[in-house]
Amino acid sequence: DADVTQTPRNRITKTGKRIMLECSQTKGHDRMYWYRQDPGLGLRLIYYSFDVKDINKGEISDGYSVSRQAQAKFSLSLESAIPNQTALYFCATRKGQGRGEQFFGPGTRLTVL
Amino acid sequence: QKEVEQNSGPLSVPEGAIASLNCTYSDRGSQSFFWYRQYSGKSPELIMFIYSNGDKEDGRFTAQLNKASQYVSLLIRDSQPSDSATYLCAVNIAGYGGATNKLIFGTGTLLAVQP
Repeated sequence: DADVTQTPRNRITKTGKRIMLECSQTKGHDRMYWYRQDPGLGLRLIYYSFDVKDINKGEISDGYSVSRQAQAKFSLSLESAIPNQTALYFCATRKGQGRGEQFFGPGTRLTVL
Repeated sequence: QKEVEQNSGPLSVPEGAIASLNCTYSDRGSQSFFWYRQYSGKSPELIMFIYSNGDKEDGRFTAQLNKASQYVSLLIRDSQPSDSATYLCAVNIAGYGGATNKLIFGTGTLLAVQP
C-alpha cells in the first residue's frame, strides 16, 4: 500500500543532542510537510517542501532544519535539542494537483530531557 | 483572532445520537475545507473534504459549508463509541495567485460517545 512512514517512532534524548527524524513516502506525492503537535496548540507547521529544490519555512522553524534528499524522503533535524521541543512530530504529504488534502505519517514522539 | 477556531469540548453524546462539530475560519478567500479524525496518540486521518457551499454526505458523515458565514461543520449520524476521538478542522487558505499549499488546523474538538 502507498504509505507515509516515519522513523523513529519514539525517541528520548538529552538537551543539546542532535536529533534527526526521517520521513519516507511511497505515495508519489511531490509535496511534503513537517508538523509538531502540542496539547492545546494543535498542529503547527515547521517546514514544507514542494520538491527537492524547494524548501520553505513554516510558522515555527526556529531550532529546526530540514533536508529533502529525494522526492520520497524528507528529514527534520534538531541541531541542539531543548526540552520545549518535546512534542509529537508528524510528516505529511500532498500531491501537486488537487484540493490540498494532506496525508499523515504515524508520528514520532520525541522527549527531550 | 485565530485563523481556524473550534470548540475544544469535550462534546459528549449518547450512542446513536447525532454529533455536531463546528468550525469557523477567518480568511474569506479560503477554498477547501477538511475534517480529520485523530485518536489519542495516533496521526490525523482524513475523513471528509468540502469546497462548495452546501452539504456533502459520505456514509454516516455529512460536511456542511457556508462560505458567507465562514462556517464549516461535520455531522456524525448514529454515533458509535468508536467515533470517540478528536476532530480537526483544516482550511486551505487563499494566497496570492490562488490557494496556497498550506493547511491551517484548528486545535480540534474532543468527541466522547457514551455507550
